[in-house]
Amino acid sequence: QVQLQESGPGLVKPSETLSLTCIVSGGSINSYYWNWIRQPPGKGLEWIGYIYYTGSTNYNPSLKSRVTMSLDTSKNQFSLRLSSVTVADTAVYYCARPSVAGRFDFDSWGQGTLVTVSS
Amino acid sequence: EVVLTQSPGTLSLSPGDRVTLACRASQSVSSNFLAWYQQKPGQAPRLLIYGASTRATGIPDRFSGSGSGADFTLTISRLEPEDFAVYYCQYWETFGQGTKLEIK
Repeated sequence: QVQLQESGPGLVKPSETLSLTCIVSGGSINSYYWNWIRQPPGKGLEWIGYIYYTGSTNYNPSLKSRVTMSLDTSKNQFSLRLSSVTVADTAVYYCARPSVAGRFDFDSWGQGTLVTVSS
Repeated sequence: EVVLTQSPGTLSLSPGDRVTLACRASQSVSSNFLAWYQQKPGQAPRLLIYGASTRATGIPDRFSGSGSGADFTLTISRLEPEDFAVYYCQYWETFGQGTKLEIK
């Protein structure tokens, strides 16, 4: 059973860049679409984007200008960078993987990490 | 872009009740990519149903999904205390806004 674990700073200042990493264990990163999803406090889920194991990416159009995803196959991990953050970017950030390669329903999730944007 | 609208926003029910949650898409979508999740406070979402009607691994058979085109439903045949949570539908990168089941 694959396990995902997010890591990164819990506090980021406005206008700075949010950086998170998702460590994948119990399975190889060399397949699947690897996703980031966020959830502002008390609100619903928002898909941020994915990076495919080949390195190709697809981002939510509403965030595309500020998002960069990358992966490190040697460390079995992938990363999210979100630039020019504002308080509206305060959220729990999850990494997630689809249940089957080629599908887009997520059966594997990290536990989530709260990132607060505040000066 | 597909928009998913879930109804109702909140339901107050009792253990043992039967409940049906609705998810309506802004256009006809492929049922192959319609999923349902359960989320409890402080936890990541849990996949319940994929392909509109297939239960994910380990999901009790009191959960069932159905629908096609633009209208989909999640039914819980008999609510257990642990089923009180927020439920989301998803189509590809789009999530519905959620339906909260609360104890009456």
